[in-house]
Amino acid sequence: GDSVTQMEGPVTLSEEAFLTINCTYTATGYPSLFWYVQYPGEGLQLLLKATKADDKGSNKGFEATYRKETTSFHLEKGSVQVSDSAVYFCALQTSGSRLTFGEGTQLTVNP
Amino acid sequence: GAGVSQSPRYKVAKRGQDVALRCDPISGHVSLFWYQQALGQGPEFLTYFQNEAQLDKSGLPSDRFFAERPEGSVSTLKIQRTQQEDSAVYLCASSFRRFGQGGAAFFGQGTRLTVV
Repeated sequence: GDSVTQMEGPVTLSEEAFLTINCTYTATGYPSLFWYVQYPGEGLQLLLKATKADDKGSNKGFEATYRKETTSFHLEKGSVQVSDSAVYFCALQTSGSRLTFGEGTQLTVNP
Repeated sequence: GAGVSQSPRYKVAKRGQDVALRCDPISGHVSLFWYQQALGQGPEFLTYFQNEAQLDKSGLPSDRFFAERPEGSVSTLKIQRTQQEDSAVYLCASSFRRFGQGGAAFFGQGTRLTVV
């Protein structure tokens, strides 16, 4: 069945550091890929998405590229801010509409 | 409303009690999803509605879980005879896209259920 594997957290960085959160997936067919973010006390919010191989999703300085050959969708940001502290979820969507999520990665950015 | 609204935000139930969780999707959204999120885990799919039709309930963990969306708008997730393992955050999400069309969903803040 479909599955998503994220790098284990928590991840702690200093402000302005480079961020990578790894995500790999297993899926039948050709999934769409998503990153969702959950800020403290808030609901899940879509951060970015990519619907086909080699697409790059980007938003708020975050980027992720759909790599079919490595079945990966790693999240990157060049310079993190304290306000980026949150839990990040990688997810995939195949036929139908349901999302399959990874376990989430807690990111803490210190000033 | 502006977003997906869920109520109550928090619910404490005694083991064996029945509970009902409500979801108000974004107006006009055709698709509605329920997910269960255990502590420290990612959300897991429970069930999916397109308008009032429940097209997929394969994620419901037992027959104690029941969901409905009778008029194609508000949805209720009901859990009968709650057990401690039902303690989790229950998330509702909606989308304007139909089944198979994919696309992102908008999530509510969730209902945190604690069974004691």
